[in-house]
Amino acid sequence: GAGVSQSPSNKVTEKGKDVELRCDPISGHTALYWYRQSLGQGLEFLIYFQGNSAPDKSGLPSDRFSAERTGGSVSTLTIQRTQQEDSAVYLCASSIRQGSAGELFFGEGSRLTVL
Amino acid sequence: AQSVTQLGSHVSVSEGALVLLRCNYSSSVPPYLFWYVQYPNQGLQLLLKYTSAATLVKGINGFEAEFKKSETSFHLTKPSAHMSDAAEYFCAVSDQTNAGKSTFGDGTTLTVKP
Repeated sequence: GAGVSQSPSNKVTEKGKDVELRCDPISGHTALYWYRQSLGQGLEFLIYFQGNSAPDKSGLPSDRFSAERTGGSVSTLTIQRTQQEDSAVYLCASSIRQGSAGELFFGEGSRLTVL
Repeated sequence: AQSVTQLGSHVSVSEGALVLLRCNYSSSVPPYLFWYVQYPNQGLQLLLKYTSAATLVKGINGFEAEFKKSETSFHLTKPSAHMSDAAEYFCAVSDQTNAGKSTFGDGTTLTVKP
C-alpha cells in the first residue's frame, strides 16, 4: 500500500512478556518516528531515525524500550518485560526528510494491552 | 523546551455553527505549528501547518488557523461545522530543525450535533 503500515494492529500480552511492533514507512521517506498515545493523552515522542544517522532515542521511557531500523526502511519497536503502564497505542510516522516542515504521515497504530 | 496546551478536552457544536479549537504553545525558538486530525480508528493526518510564512494558514476541509506570536496561540477555526468534522484534533509544536520531533497537546474531541 501507499501509506505507513503497522502491525499488529492489536496486541494483548501478559505482564513480563516481550513484544515487537513493526512499522513499514512510505517508500522513499528517509525519516521515521515512533510515538506513544496513552488513553486521554497526547502523543509522546519516543524515537526517530534519519537515514543512516544514529537514532535520536531521547524519548524512550526506559531501557526496556528499544528500536531498530533495518536497511533504512522497516522499523521494529521492542518492549521487553512489559508492564501494565506500557499499555497504549504506538504510532509510527514517516516523512520525506528530517529538518523539513514536511508533513508527517502516520500509520493507524498498534494498540498494546498488557494484562 | 516546548509545550502545547489545548484548552478544552471536549468541544461540542451544532452542525453549521462555528468551530473554534484553542491551542497555546510555548517555545524558546521560532516554532513550527501543526494541527492534526484523527478520525475514529484511523491514523493522524495533517490538517494544516505554520512554517513562518503567512500567519493565516488554510488547510483541508475548510479549516484554518492563525499564528499570533503576541498571544502564543494557534487556534483552529472553521466557519460552519459539518457532521463529518467529528474527530479528535491535536495541536503540535516543533522547532525548525526537526519538524517531526513534535510536542503534541492532549487533544480536543469535537462533537457535532445535528
